[in-house]
Amino acid sequence: DSGVTQTPKHLITATGQRVTLRCSPRSGDLSVYWYQQSLDQGLQFLIQYYNGEERAKGNILERFSAQQFPDLHSELNLSSLELGDSALYFCASSVAPYSQNGYTFGSGTRLTVV
Amino acid sequence: SQELEQSPQSLIVQEGKNLTINCTSSKTLYGLYWYKQKYGEGLIFLMMLQKGGEEKSHEKITAKLDEKKQQSSLHITASQPSHAGIYLCGAVDGGGSQGNLIFGKGTKLSVKP
Repeated sequence: DSGVTQTPKHLITATGQRVTLRCSPRSGDLSVYWYQQSLDQGLQFLIQYYNGEERAKGNILERFSAQQFPDLHSELNLSSLELGDSALYFCASSVAPYSQNGYTFGSGTRLTVV
Repeated sequence: SQELEQSPQSLIVQEGKNLTINCTSSKTLYGLYWYKQKYGEGLIFLMMLQKGGEEKSHEKITAKLDEKKQQSSLHITASQPSHAGIYLCGAVDGGGSQGNLIFGKGTKLSVKP
Protein backbone atom coordinates (compact mmCIF):
# COMPACT_ATOMS: atom_id res chain seq x y z
CA ASP A 1 0.00 0.00 0.00
CA SER A 2 1.61 3.25 -1.20
CA GLY A 3 -0.55 5.48 1.01
CA VAL A 4 -2.31 7.06 -1.99
CA THR A 5 -5.83 5.70 -2.32
CA GLN A 6 -7.74 5.75 -5.58
CA THR A 7 -11.34 4.72 -6.04
CA PRO A 8 -12.86 3.00 -7.83
CA LYS A 9 -10.27 0.52 -9.11
CA HIS A 10 -12.30 -0.32 -12.18
CA LEU A 11 -15.04 1.57 -14.00
CA ILE A 12 -17.00 0.58 -17.06
CA THR A 13 -19.30 3.15 -18.57
CA ALA A 14 -20.96 4.08 -21.84
CA THR A 15 -20.00 6.80 -24.29
CA GLY A 16 -21.47 10.17 -23.45
CA GLN A 17 -21.58 9.50 -19.72
CA ARG A 18 -19.84 11.32 -16.88
CA VAL A 19 -17.69 9.75 -14.16
CA THR A 20 -15.81 10.92 -11.09
CA LEU A 21 -12.50 9.45 -9.98
CA ARG A 22 -11.39 10.00 -6.42
CA CYS A 23 -7.93 10.27 -4.88
CA SER A 24 -6.82 10.53 -1.26
CA PRO A 25 -3.19 11.61 -1.05
CA ARG A 26 -0.64 10.19 1.34
CA SER A 27 -0.91 11.68 4.81
CA GLY A 28 0.98 14.98 4.95
CA ASP A 29 1.25 15.44 1.19
CA LEU A 30 -0.12 18.73 -0.10
CA SER A 31 0.45 18.27 -3.85
CA VAL A 32 -1.78 16.06 -5.98
CA TYR A 33 -1.10 15.18 -9.61
CA TRP A 34 -3.38 13.41 -12.10
CA TYR A 35 -2.07 11.32 -14.97
CA GLN A 36 -3.60 9.37 -17.83
CA GLN A 37 -1.83 6.26 -19.12
CA SER A 38 -2.75 4.67 -22.43
CA LEU A 39 -0.83 2.20 -24.58
CA ASP A 40 -0.16 4.63 -27.41
CA GLN A 41 0.40 7.87 -25.47
CA GLY A 42 2.22 6.61 -22.41
CA LEU A 43 1.88 8.46 -19.12
CA GLN A 44 0.46 11.94 -19.71
CA PHE A 45 0.31 14.66 -17.07
CA LEU A 46 -3.17 16.13 -16.73
CA ILE A 47 -3.32 18.56 -13.84
CA GLN A 48 -1.69 19.45 -10.50
CA TYR A 49 -3.08 20.88 -7.28
CA TYR A 50 -1.24 22.21 -4.28
CA ASN A 51 -3.09 22.76 -1.02
CA GLY A 52 -6.39 23.27 -2.79
CA GLU A 53 -5.18 25.46 -5.62
CA GLU A 54 -4.59 24.53 -9.23
CA ARG A 55 -0.88 24.86 -9.98
CA ALA A 56 -0.25 23.41 -13.42
CA LYS A 57 -2.17 22.04 -16.37
CA GLY A 58 -0.96 19.54 -18.88
CA ASN A 59 -2.76 17.82 -21.72
CA ILE A 60 -6.14 17.92 -20.05
CA LEU A 61 -9.20 18.03 -22.29
CA GLU A 62 -11.90 20.64 -21.73
CA ARG A 63 -14.32 17.79 -21.00
CA PHE A 64 -12.20 16.93 -17.97
CA SER A 65 -12.02 18.90 -14.75
CA ALA A 66 -10.60 18.40 -11.30
CA GLN A 67 -10.54 19.91 -7.88
CA GLN A 68 -8.83 19.48 -4.54
CA PHE A 69 -10.92 19.80 -1.41
CA PRO A 70 -10.00 21.30 1.99
CA ASP A 71 -9.26 17.83 3.35
CA LEU A 72 -6.79 17.52 0.42
CA HIS A 73 -8.54 14.70 -1.38
CA SER A 74 -8.99 15.29 -5.08
CA GLU A 75 -11.55 14.36 -7.70
CA LEU A 76 -11.15 14.10 -11.45
CA ASN A 77 -14.38 14.53 -13.41
CA LEU A 78 -14.60 13.15 -16.93
CA SER A 79 -17.65 14.05 -18.99
CA SER A 80 -19.05 13.32 -22.46
CA LEU A 81 -16.90 10.24 -22.45
CA GLU A 82 -15.53 8.86 -25.68
CA LEU A 83 -14.04 5.46 -26.51
CA GLY A 84 -10.61 7.08 -26.62
CA ASP A 85 -10.85 8.08 -22.97
CA SER A 86 -10.42 4.45 -21.97
CA ALA A 87 -7.18 4.37 -20.01
CA LEU A 88 -5.57 3.99 -16.62
CA TYR A 89 -5.88 7.14 -14.54
CA PHE A 90 -3.31 7.65 -11.83
CA CYS A 91 -3.14 10.04 -8.97
CA ALA A 92 0.17 10.87 -7.33
CA SER A 93 1.03 12.98 -4.32
CA SER A 94 4.08 14.62 -2.80
CA VAL A 95 4.87 16.80 0.19
CA ALA A 96 5.86 19.55 -2.20
CA PRO A 97 7.10 19.89 -5.77
CA TYR A 98 10.67 18.63 -6.40
CA SER A 99 10.45 16.14 -3.58
CA GLN A 100 13.65 14.09 -3.30
CA ASN A 101 11.60 11.25 -1.87
CA GLY A 102 9.70 10.96 -5.10
CA TYR A 103 6.09 11.32 -5.97
CA THR A 104 3.91 8.52 -4.57
CA PHE A 105 1.49 6.95 -7.02
CA GLY A 106 -1.79 5.26 -6.32
CA SER A 107 -2.70 1.95 -7.94
CA GLY A 108 -4.89 3.68 -10.51
CA THR A 109 -8.43 3.58 -11.82
CA ARG A 110 -8.95 1.58 -14.99
CA LEU A 111 -11.65 3.28 -17.04
CA THR A 112 -13.29 1.42 -19.89
CA VAL A 113 -15.70 3.33 -22.12
CA VAL A 114 -17.95 1.11 -24.22
CA SER B 1 7.91 21.62 -24.00
CA GLN B 2 10.36 19.11 -22.58
CA GLU B 3 10.45 15.56 -23.93
CA LEU B 4 12.06 12.41 -22.59
CA GLU B 5 13.17 9.64 -24.88
CA GLN B 6 13.90 6.20 -23.48
CA SER B 7 15.89 3.45 -25.11
CA PRO B 8 15.52 0.66 -25.73
CA GLN B 9 11.72 0.41 -25.90
CA SER B 10 11.92 -3.19 -24.79
CA LEU B 11 14.56 -5.56 -23.58
CA ILE B 12 14.72 -9.32 -23.02
CA VAL B 13 17.66 -10.58 -21.00
CA GLN B 14 18.73 -13.86 -19.50
CA GLU B 15 18.68 -14.03 -15.72
CA GLY B 16 22.04 -13.02 -14.30
CA LYS B 17 22.92 -10.65 -17.13
CA ASN B 18 23.55 -6.94 -16.74
CA LEU B 19 21.59 -4.34 -18.63
CA THR B 20 21.34 -0.58 -19.15
CA ILE B 21 18.36 1.65 -19.92
CA ASN B 22 18.84 5.20 -21.13
CA CYS B 23 16.78 8.33 -20.79
CA THR B 24 17.58 11.43 -22.86
CA SER B 25 16.00 14.80 -22.34
CA SER B 26 15.40 17.56 -24.88
CA LYS B 27 16.22 20.13 -22.19
CA THR B 28 18.38 20.39 -19.09
CA LEU B 29 17.18 18.11 -16.32
CA TYR B 30 16.42 19.75 -12.99
CA GLY B 31 15.34 16.55 -11.34
CA LEU B 32 15.28 13.07 -12.84
CA TYR B 33 13.15 10.33 -11.32
CA TRP B 34 13.24 6.62 -12.06
CA TYR B 35 10.16 4.49 -11.50
CA LYS B 36 9.26 0.85 -12.01
CA GLN B 37 5.78 -0.30 -13.00
CA LYS B 38 4.35 -3.78 -13.04
CA TYR B 39 1.89 -4.13 -15.89
CA GLY B 40 -1.41 -2.40 -15.06
CA GLU B 41 -0.27 -1.38 -11.60
CA GLY B 42 0.98 1.79 -9.95
CA LEU B 43 4.46 3.23 -10.24
CA ILE B 44 7.07 2.43 -7.61
CA PHE B 45 9.67 5.13 -6.93
CA LEU B 46 13.26 3.91 -7.32
CA MET B 47 15.46 7.00 -6.99
CA MET B 48 15.87 10.68 -7.83
CA LEU B 49 18.94 12.39 -9.27
CA GLN B 50 19.53 16.10 -9.27
CA LYS B 51 23.17 17.03 -9.60
CA GLY B 52 25.33 16.58 -12.68
CA GLY B 53 27.45 13.44 -12.31
CA GLU B 54 25.33 12.17 -9.43
CA GLU B 55 25.03 8.41 -9.01
CA LYS B 56 22.71 6.48 -6.70
CA SER B 57 22.18 2.82 -6.02
CA HIS B 58 19.31 0.80 -4.65
CA GLU B 59 20.05 -2.89 -4.20
CA LYS B 60 21.29 -4.02 -7.63
CA ILE B 61 20.02 -0.98 -9.50
CA THR B 62 22.30 2.01 -10.15
CA ALA B 63 21.28 5.25 -11.82
CA LYS B 64 23.47 8.08 -13.00
CA LEU B 65 22.89 11.60 -14.29
CA ASP B 66 25.47 12.88 -16.75
CA GLU B 67 27.48 16.04 -16.15
CA LYS B 68 25.49 18.05 -18.68
CA LYS B 69 22.25 16.96 -16.99
CA GLN B 70 20.56 15.86 -20.20
CA GLN B 71 20.90 12.11 -19.97
CA SER B 72 20.45 9.47 -17.34
CA SER B 73 21.16 5.77 -17.35
CA LEU B 74 19.78 2.97 -15.21
CA HIS B 75 21.93 -0.10 -14.81
CA ILE B 76 20.83 -3.42 -13.38
CA THR B 77 23.51 -5.86 -12.29
CA ALA B 78 22.87 -9.61 -12.31
CA SER B 79 19.23 -9.30 -13.34
CA GLN B 80 16.56 -11.42 -11.67
CA PRO B 81 12.97 -12.24 -12.67
CA SER B 82 11.84 -9.78 -9.96
CA HIS B 83 13.39 -6.97 -12.00
CA ALA B 84 10.91 -7.52 -14.83
CA GLY B 85 8.51 -4.66 -15.50
CA ILE B 86 8.34 -1.28 -17.16
CA TYR B 87 10.96 1.28 -16.21
CA LEU B 88 9.99 4.92 -16.61
CA CYS B 89 12.08 8.01 -16.29
CA GLY B 90 10.35 11.20 -15.23
CA ALA B 91 11.56 14.78 -15.10
CA VAL B 92 10.31 18.01 -13.67
CA ASP B 93 8.83 19.71 -16.71
CA GLY B 94 11.21 22.37 -18.01
CA GLY B 95 12.46 23.12 -14.53
CA GLY B 96 9.19 24.87 -13.81
CA SER B 97 8.45 25.88 -10.27
CA GLN B 98 5.31 23.76 -10.11
CA GLY B 99 7.21 20.49 -10.11
CA ASN B 100 4.87 18.42 -12.24
CA LEU B 101 6.58 15.40 -13.77
CA ILE B 102 6.61 14.38 -17.39
CA PHE B 103 7.58 10.84 -18.35
CA GLY B 104 9.27 8.92 -21.08
CA LYS B 105 7.30 6.15 -22.78
CA GLY B 106 9.03 3.48 -20.75
CA THR B 107 11.29 0.49 -21.29
CA LYS B 108 9.70 -2.92 -20.94
CA LEU B 109 12.11 -5.38 -19.35
CA SER B 110 11.63 -9.14 -19.44
CA VAL B 111 14.02 -11.44 -17.58
CA LYS B 112 14.16 -15.07 -18.70
CA PRO B 113 14.89 -17.58 -15.93
